[in-house]
Amino acid sequence: AQTVTQSQPEMSVQEAETVTLSCTYDTSESDYYLFWYKQPPSRQMILVIRQEAYKQQNATENRFSVNFQKAAKSFSLKISDSQLGDAAMYFCAYRRYGGATNKLIFGTGTLLAVQP
Amino acid sequence: DAGVIQSPRHEVTEMGQEVTLRCKPISGHNSLFWYRQTMMRGLELLIYFNNNVPIDDSGMPEDRFSAKMPNASFSTLKIQPSEPRDSAVYFCASSSPPGTDNQPQHFGDGTRLSIL
Repeated sequence: AQTVTQSQPEMSVQEAETVTLSCTYDTSESDYYLFWYKQPPSRQMILVIRQEAYKQQNATENRFSVNFQKAAKSFSLKISDSQLGDAAMYFCAYRRYGGATNKLIFGTGTLLAVQP
Repeated sequence: DAGVIQSPRHEVTEMGQEVTLRCKPISGHNSLFWYRQTMMRGLELLIYFNNNVPIDDSGMPEDRFSAKMPNASFSTLKIQPSEPRDSAVYFCASSSPPGTDNQPQHFGDGTRLSIL
C-alpha cells in the first residue's frame, strides 16, 4: 500500500525568506502523480502544485517549486519570498496513475507559520 | 465556474440526532470523494464514487455512516445516530474520472460538524 510521510509537524519562516517542506512517499508503482495542497485557517483545501512522476523537470508555480527525487521517493515543496498569506497547513498527496481509482493519499500535514 | 458546493457550512446538533451533509460536485466531474478531518487523525477518506457508484467505502467508520449519490450532481453523507466523536470537518471533493489526465481533486469548503 502507498503511504505519504510528512516528518515536519510544524515549520516557521521569516517573511521574504525561503522555506522547504519535506515529503516522502512509498510506492511500488512507476507512474503516479504528486500534489501539494494548502489549507489556510479558512479551511479551504487549495491545490498549490502538482507533479507527474514521468516528468523529470520539477514543477513550478510562481513562488512555489518542488524538488522531485523519484529514486529517493522525495517530493519537497519550496516557498520563495514567503508572504504572510502563505501561513497555512500544507498537505502532500499521492495518486496512482490510471487504473480504476483516482484516490488521493494524504500525508499528515505541516503547519507553516510566517513571521513578520 | 462554480466549485464544489457543500452545505451546510456549520452544523451543531445533539447526539442521537440524524445529520445529513450535502455536496454538489463540479459539473462534468465523474468522481466524488468524502473526507473527514480531525486533529487526531488528519484527513481520512471515507468513501468515493465513480459515475455515481460507490467504489471504495472501506473508510466509512461504522454502520451509522452512509453515503449516497443518486445522480451526477448530488451526494449526501448521513450519520444516524450521531455521536460526539463524529465532530469533525467533512469535506467533499470531485475530480475527472480515473484514466483521464492528472486533473486534481477540487475540494468544497467543508462542513464543520459539532455533536454535543
